[in-house]
Amino acid sequence: GAGVSQSPSNKVTEKGKDVELRCDPISGHTALYWYRQSLGQGLEFLIYFQGNSAPDKSGLPSDRFSAERTGGSVSTLTIQRTQQEDSAVYLCASSLSTADSGNTIYFGEGSWLTVV
Amino acid sequence: EDQVTQSPEALRLQEGESSSLNCSYTVSGLRGLFWYRQDPGKGPEFLFTLYSAGEEKEKERLKATLTKKESFLHITAPKPEDSATYLCAVPETSGSRLTFGEGTQLTVNP
Repeated sequence: GAGVSQSPSNKVTEKGKDVELRCDPISGHTALYWYRQSLGQGLEFLIYFQGNSAPDKSGLPSDRFSAERTGGSVSTLTIQRTQQEDSAVYLCASSLSTADSGNTIYFGEGSWLTVV
Repeated sequence: EDQVTQSPEALRLQEGESSSLNCSYTVSGLRGLFWYRQDPGKGPEFLFTLYSAGEEKEKERLKATLTKKESFLHITAPKPEDSATYLCAVPETSGSRLTFGEGTQLTVNP
C-alpha cells in the first residue's frame, strides 16, 4: 500500500490479557516509530527502530510493553497483562531515514485499544 | 530538556475569520519543525517542515512561518473543513524521534 498500515484498527480486550498491534511501514522506509495518544492528549513516544541499529526503547512505559521489527519492515507492539490505563490509540509512523535528516514522518491511522 | 508548547489549546473561529496558532520550542540546534493536522479518529497528516528562521511555507489557506523560538500557523479565511487539531513537533536534540506539542483544537463554524 501507499501509506503506513496498522491492524487491528480497533481492539477491545479484557484486563490482564495480552494484545499485539501490527504496523506495516511505507515500503523502503528504514525508520519506524510507535507513539501512544490517550484521549484528548498529545503524542507520547514509545519506541523507535532505525535500520539494523538497536532500537530506542526509552519511551516504553513499563516492562509489559515490548516491540520488535522483523526483516527491517513489519513491526509488532506487544502489551502484556493489559491494564485499563493502557487504553489509547497506538500510532505507528515511518520515514525514509531519521527525522533530523529532513525526512518526513508519515503516520498510520492508529490502533484504538480499549481495555475493559 | 526539549520542549514544545502550543497555544491556544482550543480556538473557535467563524468561517472567514483569520487567525494564527503558536508553537514555541526549546531545543538545541533546531533540525526542523514539523506541522501536522489530525482529524478525530485519524492519524496525524503531514503539512509542513520548516528548517530555518524566516522560512515560510503555504498550502491552500495555511501558511507556516518560523523564528528562532517559535512557529506560527496562519489560517486565512478558514472554512469548516479546516476544523481539526493542529500539532507541531521537533526532532529531539539527543536523537531522531519527534517531540510533539499538545496541539491546538481548531473549530471553524459556518
